[in-house]
Amino acid sequence: QVQLQESGPGLVKPSETLSLTCTVSGASVTSYYWSWVRQPAGKGLEWIGRIYHSGSTSYNPSLNPSLKSRVTVSVDTSKNQFSLKVISVTAADTAVYYCARDTPTYGFFDSWGQGTLVTVSS
Amino acid sequence: DIQMTQSPSSLSASVGDRVTITCRSSQSISGYLNWYQHKPGKAPKLLIYATSDLQSGVPSRFSGSGSGTDFTLTISSLQPEDFATYYCQQSYSAPRTFGPGTKVDIK
Repeated sequence: QVQLQESGPGLVKPSETLSLTCTVSGASVTSYYWSWVRQPAGKGLEWIGRIYHSGSTSYNPSLNPSLKSRVTVSVDTSKNQFSLKVISVTAADTAVYYCARDTPTYGFFDSWGQGTLVTVSS
Repeated sequence: DIQMTQSPSSLSASVGDRVTITCRSSQSISGYLNWYQHKPGKAPKLLIYATSDLQSGVPSRFSGSGSGTDFTLTISSLQPEDFATYYCQQSYSAPRTFGPGTKVDIK
């Protein structure tokens, strides 16, 4: 059974960097793609970006404000983890962040973490 | 981006009811439509992928259908554990986008 668990600070100050890690068990990050999805309070789910174990990434160019230029997804195969970094955060980045396993053939997310709330506030 | 809409946004139903949720895309997405169940504080759960394929372990009371731009998720006999929010998601083109969700609660 594949399990994913997000970890990282729950509170980040404006203009600082949001850093989250997703630890994967029951599967290897050297298979599949691995994605980050977020849900701002009262809003829907937003796909942020994904990574393949080779380091190949793709990001959502449509998230505002200009999330694509502020986000980096990376993978650590030795720890079976992948990570999300968002620089220069604002209150608009306050959300529940989920990590998920991504199946490129049909593009669905078949395993998810429980999510972690990140609040951007001074 | 492909925009996804869902209706209704919420519904109240009783155990044993047949429930149907509709998802519509802003352009044709062929069969690349997936459904998730989400309960507060829990990981979202994939129910159906590629319009009508049931994810392993998901009860057969869940079914999906549709084509083009119009899709439905049906729960044939609502069970207590089915009260949750349901999201559709298109995987036809990047970026993947989700519907706004349909909350199913107890009447």
